[in-house]
Amino acid sequence: EAQVTQNPRYLITVTGKKLTVTCSQNMNHEYMSWYRQDPGLGLRQIYYSMNVEVTDKGDVPEGYKVSRKEKRNFPLILESPSPNQTSLYFCASSFWTGGGADTQYFGPGTRLTVL
Amino acid sequence: GENVEQHPSTLSVQEGDSAVIKCTYSDSASNYFPWYKQELGKGPQLIIDIRSNVGEKKDQRIAVTLNKTAKHFSLHITETQPEDSAVYFCAASWVSNQFYFGTGTSLTVIP
Repeated sequence: EAQVTQNPRYLITVTGKKLTVTCSQNMNHEYMSWYRQDPGLGLRQIYYSMNVEVTDKGDVPEGYKVSRKEKRNFPLILESPSPNQTSLYFCASSFWTGGGADTQYFGPGTRLTVL
Repeated sequence: GENVEQHPSTLSVQEGDSAVIKCTYSDSASNYFPWYKQELGKGPQLIIDIRSNVGEKKDQRIAVTLNKTAKHFSLHITETQPEDSAVYFCAASWVSNQFYFGTGTSLTVIP
């Protein structure tokens, strides 16, 4: 089944404790992206990647890191989480043509709480 | 960067009526405009999209229109059904591959 998987689905942590949220897709998509969803703010893009070893900042990259060492995986790293990073996080992937990204497929989400 | 505004934030319609959600964008270079439906506890799912070289696109009960001059695009759902109840998001993207989303519309279809 074609899908985007995220782990963990739920995470409660404390300020300053490094964490990684994994994202994996099995559709051979070039483009992968991370979003955070907050009430009243919609989805905001954190980072995106157009292929292996190619990443770029989205609208709200502060406090996050990403890496793309393999085509199927795109982990999101919070090196020193703070309470304002409490949010619902989504990973998404799509094919990427020269003209831009195509239909994005979203994962089920990771609900992160930072105490 | 791009700024996408979405209205209304909530919308209630009677089953069988039509629903319209509107979005405006600021960057005339935006060329891809997808619409997503998000059900409770799930990730957004694409329902329809349109590119800047097309003015209108239809898929059964769902249609999207794009007015590049006015920089706005709209989602039209006809003959609404209770299963259409969800949160809908519009988005805009351009060749930078960044995506900008609206703030969402919570649609309730009353049986």
